[in-house]
Amino acid sequence: AQSVTQLDSQVPVFEEAPVELRCNYSSSVSVYLFWYVQYPNQGLQLLLKYLSGSTLVKGINGFEAEFNKSQTSFHLRKPSVHISDTAEYFCAVSAGFGNEKLTFGTGTRLTIIP
Amino acid sequence: ETGVTQSPTHLIKTRGQQVTLRCSSQSGHNTVSWYQQALGQGPQFIFQYYREEENGRGNFPPRFSGLQFPNYSSELNVNALELDDSALYLCASSLTGAGAEAFFGQGTRLTVV
Repeated sequence: AQSVTQLDSQVPVFEEAPVELRCNYSSSVSVYLFWYVQYPNQGLQLLLKYLSGSTLVKGINGFEAEFNKSQTSFHLRKPSVHISDTAEYFCAVSAGFGNEKLTFGTGTRLTIIP
Repeated sequence: ETGVTQSPTHLIKTRGQQVTLRCSSQSGHNTVSWYQQALGQGPQFIFQYYREEENGRGNFPPRFSGLQFPNYSSELNVNALELDDSALYLCASSLTGAGAEAFFGQGTRLTVV
């Protein structure tokens, strides 16, 4: 079984400042890692994913994440945030072997301060 | 190419009633998954269907059931509704295969009173 821990439930950041949203996972098998964003009253949109290869993954809207196997982490970063980045961010894992079930963390609410 | 659409967007039911939620998959996707997202929580996996067969189930009681149709659209049925069933229900479609991207609908907000 897999589990995901998002260490911060809320992160306030000033506009144009950098941000890091933390995610740690636990699994007995190799996993795939994802970050999703959820805007108010909407579904989830994929920001980026790590399947294999380079541990630094670039996604949409200027976000990137780094997979660290030894620390079982997949932290999300953006060098300069914008008001439009205000949303809920979810880290998720899925096991390989054709199982697409996603296990989500509890989410981090990112609030951008003008 | 159409995205994942869910209906209805909002629904209010009384405790003990039954409800059916619907999902149209993205064109070409043969796998659909349903998730329950309680307020302030991350989505929880309910079950997944692949080519009309259940292909994995989360920790939900049997009163949560589903169907997938030949056109890959899907239904989620919940019997004997309880207050704790109030949540956002998300449908996601994907192609099968490890690490395949799941595309989510906007969800159905179910309120049980």
